[in-house]
Amino acid sequence: ETGVTQTPRHLVMGMTNKKSLKCEQHLGHNAMYWYKQSAKKPLELMFVYNFKEQTENNSVPSRFSPECPNSSHLFLHLHTLQPEDSALYLCASSQVGLARPPRGTDTQYFGPGTRLTVL
Amino acid sequence: QKEVEQNSGPLSVPEGAIASLNCTYSDRVSQSFFWYRQYSGKSPELIMSIYSNGDKEDGRFTAQLNKASQYVSLLIRDSQPSDSATYLCAVNNRGYNQGGKLIFGQGTELSVKP
Repeated sequence: ETGVTQTPRHLVMGMTNKKSLKCEQHLGHNAMYWYKQSAKKPLELMFVYNFKEQTENNSVPSRFSPECPNSSHLFLHLHTLQPEDSALYLCASSQVGLARPPRGTDTQYFGPGTRLTVL
Repeated sequence: QKEVEQNSGPLSVPEGAIASLNCTYSDRVSQSFFWYRQYSGKSPELIMSIYSNGDKEDGRFTAQLNKASQYVSLLIRDSQPSDSATYLCAVNNRGYNQGGKLIFGQGTELSVKP
């Protein structure tokens, strides 16, 4: 596997279900991110983890619960979602703390996403 | 005022023409600027990053940054139908060593007609 992988690629769930999205990065990065992309809306940052510590929670409802057990893996646990949570959920990773750009880079690389539908 | 603004388009150009995509941002302390391309149903893929004022060229793509005007653009020369996609402008208004809080524009849809 290379780059950033996400599973599952598609998920349909009812409002009472509990499911988890998984992300794995194979780039040796130390920061990982969850984004939400709804139709006709800009990408929205949800959570940021630097060195496994959560550094950003962008006012995300508690029905979304992130987990970052190590720098390579990131999960998003879902429970009692609403139909309006249907969206493309994207994971990304980057390297933090390198030399100042452009010698270093803070570029984020995205996984293929999970298309979530909440019925 | 939106933090990162782009014209949503669609922008339609003939094959072989130059496509010009524009982006403005509101936070003056922003340090890193990115252009991503996103095909329908796919995830964003990086095209260019730019950090200093001026132009940066990579193949058919040229990114231009003007921090005084808070403006970043992407030029695509010799546009091809395969360039048809949504182009996302993203700005990191955090320090490079503080983790990236990328703020995205709503994207510009580009259509290149054969």
